[in-house]
Amino acid sequence: AQKITQTQPGMFVQEKEAVTLDCTYDTSDQSYGLFWYKQPSSGEMIFLIYQGSYDEQNATEGRYSLNFQKARKSANLVISASQLGDSAMYFCAMREGVAGTYKYIFGTGTRLKVLA
Amino acid sequence: DGGITQSPKYLFRKEGQNVTLSCEQNLNHDAMYWYRQDPGQGLRLIYYSQIVNDFQKGDIAEGYSVSREKKESFPLTVTSAQKNPTAFYLCASSIRVPYYGYTFGSGTRLTVV
Repeated sequence: AQKITQTQPGMFVQEKEAVTLDCTYDTSDQSYGLFWYKQPSSGEMIFLIYQGSYDEQNATEGRYSLNFQKARKSANLVISASQLGDSAMYFCAMREGVAGTYKYIFGTGTRLKVLA
Repeated sequence: DGGITQSPKYLFRKEGQNVTLSCEQNLNHDAMYWYRQDPGQGLRLIYYSQIVNDFQKGDIAEGYSVSREKKESFPLTVTSAQKNPTAFYLCASSIRVPYYGYTFGSGTRLTVV
């Protein structure tokens, strides 16, 4: 079974609108971390946002927020007020394990295209 | 500015040749990683190193080799034993215990013809 599932290979959104990118995860660990990275056409993976499994509040970073639903094992990324520069691949990732044995698992990504 | 430099950005090689991808970081990070990215797949870990002169195999190490002689450098050699080497390769680094993830380079796209 996939540990990180991103079911949307591609998404379109109109400029200035909000968009939600889906991510579900599977782990038996009690302590884990969830990440979203952005990969523009230049190739670099850019860290966007982090949510710890014990964090009670949803993480927010500027226009990015992470909708964390622990019981449903979902960690969706919400981008508000989309901009043309948001067009990129977006990867969800999970850290599991304990210190010294951390393992990172990445999803297959969602390609987002923002339309003018 | 601190960061990770991968070079070259594009690399073309003939089948059967070994090729080395460069990765240098000036973040003073202890750990460094190599990932392979293929279309429609997540990143897959090739090798990682937590300290100088030590490295471990990741999930897809066959056909690859690495060295870690300096803290700043972690070159990856794609050998002729790698059956399907054409891919995008990402280098990353982190503090010794990567609780908050990695810093990534901008990648090298390798095409074998």
